[in-house]
Amino acid sequence: GAVVSQHPSRVICKSGTSVKIECRSLDFQATTMFWYRQFPKQSLMLMATSNEGSKATYEQGVEKDKFLINHASLTLSTLTVTSAHPEDSSFYICSAKGGWNEQFFGPGTRLTVL
Amino acid sequence: EDQVTQSPEALRLQEGESSSLNCSYTVSGLRGLFWYRQDPGKGPEFLFTLYSAGEEKEKERLKATLTKKESFLHITAPKPEDSATYLCAVHVSTGGGNKLTFGTGTQLKVEL
Repeated sequence: GAVVSQHPSRVICKSGTSVKIECRSLDFQATTMFWYRQFPKQSLMLMATSNEGSKATYEQGVEKDKFLINHASLTLSTLTVTSAHPEDSSFYICSAKGGWNEQFFGPGTRLTVL
Repeated sequence: EDQVTQSPEALRLQEGESSSLNCSYTVSGLRGLFWYRQDPGKGPEFLFTLYSAGEEKEKERLKATLTKKESFLHITAPKPEDSATYLCAVHVSTGGGNKLTFGTGTQLKVEL
């Protein structure tokens, strides 16, 4: 149980384009999902907390107009990187909150912006 | 400010050589401490949750313990497949909502 999927696993795009990443909880409902970014050899950096049916809460320094988050159902949250630039290249990971505040993570999405 | 510190940053062990990883924390109102394993290029895999001092949990060669200031992840007779980065994270009760605060991890390499 507690499986979280992400799609796509890897994406390469041109500078200025937008990219959407999907995060799904496959066998449980998640009212809260989280989006993280991880740079090489660094720990996870929380970008935002996504609550089903309401606006996401962004961490300090994260541009909400650049990283659009939608949590339209109890099993799906999406992150859209708008007008992507090379500095947005990173490993993006989502997680879904379980019943005891543990978080179950997706496999991650490697974004490369050319 | 809540802080989570993991040590060592990197650890190299021979197969069968038991050791411990440390996670020390300074938080107000601990609601849970979590251990994860992360393989390169993948998302973290949930291992354990500990809630109160004195609690212990085991899974195969791994055993996690918790005191009021730190947690240890003991690895008994490790194998090469135990090589990964081990992350600890805390959930606090004040102002943090449902967020976890992560340490920077211990990169473990187990050699034959």
